[in-house]
Amino acid sequence: NAGVTQTPKFRILKIGQSMTLQCTQDMNHNYMYWYRQDPGMGLKLIYYSVGAGITDKGEVPNGYNVSRSTTEDFPLRLELAAPSQTSVYFCASSYPNDGSLGGRGKTQYFGPGTRLLVL
Amino acid sequence: KQEVTQIPAALSVPEGENLVLNCSFTDSAIYNLQWFRQDPGKGLTSLLLIQSSQREQTSGRLNASLDKSSGRSTLYIAASQPGDSATYLCAVRPTNTGTASKLTFGTGTRLQVTL
Repeated sequence: NAGVTQTPKFRILKIGQSMTLQCTQDMNHNYMYWYRQDPGMGLKLIYYSVGAGITDKGEVPNGYNVSRSTTEDFPLRLELAAPSQTSVYFCASSYPNDGSLGGRGKTQYFGPGTRLLVL
Repeated sequence: KQEVTQIPAALSVPEGENLVLNCSFTDSAIYNLQWFRQDPGKGLTSLLLIQSSQREQTSGRLNASLDKSSGRSTLYIAASQPGDSATYLCAVRPTNTGTASKLTFGTGTRLQVTL
């Protein structure tokens, strides 16, 4: 299994441009998450999804959109890039943590991240 | 609002030393607490997960403890090695998030183990 993959690894955007960060997982996980990590800070949840067709906002959703048309893919869209969106973006996936899967339901698996610079 | 703090922000120790990383959280209504390792340019790897009903978890040279009532967790690394150099993040999962693990992360401790 490749696990969680993210593309691109690095991107420079100009203010006002748009782009889509791609995230794919091959573990058949129901749940997927997008986080951002600013320098010297912890990760903050942007959006998450509990299954295809279902998405919900996290702590910092403004300026972003997501969609979940398949179990495997969870793209993150930036419509009008702003310097405040300069960050490292991590995608993660997991099984639902409802106790039915024991330990397997408790851990999130992270991708390698996409470094985004908005100038 | 849950806030997670990690002290120290950075730590440098000689190889072989035992060390403790600290994590504190403001809301004790947590479902579990996790310690992650983050290597430069890489994603996060889960090291240990402690359920709210547990006191500690061990994996090899790592031992994590949880005192939910006081809002504290520690990660103990025994006999540190240069390969342990990384940033260590703790994250808590609140009790009111259903089956989604909406984690709140600390800012991390950057550890360097020198030869």
